[in-house]
Amino acid sequence: AQTVTQSQPEMSVQEAETVTLSCTYDTSESDYYLFWYKQPPSRQMILVIRQEAYKQQNATENRFSVNFQKAAKSFSLKISDSQLGDAAMYFCAYELSGAGSYQLTFGKGTKLSVIP
Amino acid sequence: NAGVTQTPKFQVLKTGQSMTLQCAQDMNHEYMSWYRQDPGMGLRLIHYSVGAGITDQGEVPNGYNVSRSTTEDFPLRLLSAAPSQTSVYFCASRLEGTFNSPLHFGNGTRLTVT
Repeated sequence: AQTVTQSQPEMSVQEAETVTLSCTYDTSESDYYLFWYKQPPSRQMILVIRQEAYKQQNATENRFSVNFQKAAKSFSLKISDSQLGDAAMYFCAYELSGAGSYQLTFGKGTKLSVIP
Repeated sequence: NAGVTQTPKFQVLKTGQSMTLQCAQDMNHEYMSWYRQDPGMGLRLIHYSVGAGITDQGEVPNGYNVSRSTTEDFPLRLLSAAPSQTSVYFCASRLEGTFNSPLHFGNGTRLTVT
């Protein structure tokens, strides 16, 4: 079974600084997707960024970017120019690619605090 | 569009009571699912459905029942609530056939079983 590990239960960052959240996963598959979800205190799950394993180029979405290292099974999230609204729980998730894939496997989350 | 709507937002049950968590989506998504979120555990899949009349079990299905009579609705039933079912429940949906399209989540239901 696939597992997703987020080794940092909590992190903090100064406003306007950069922070990197770590995620590693275990899989024997070669074709899959990786996601970062944000959960603010409102409880809503918001997709931040997603990466296809077959793509070597790291995904970016505005201030959010990933460092995807397929051989190392590592998928870290970098948040640049951190803002107060970035404070939230962040979940890394894995999903096998293709038809018949119906389950996301989530990590346990990293709570990010942003210090003004 | 309303997206994915879950009701109620909060619920308190006594052990042994039954209830249904409602989930509805207006995006014509074939795939719908239920996750539970526990502190320090991330989200875990309970049940899912890939279309009306089709349901299947996820990682933690025991104690829960689902049905899918329409494309729009996917209720989750607790037949006899237990304290171990205290959790936050999320319903999520997406288009099927567009592989690995992003999940759209509802805002969750916080359930407490005493």
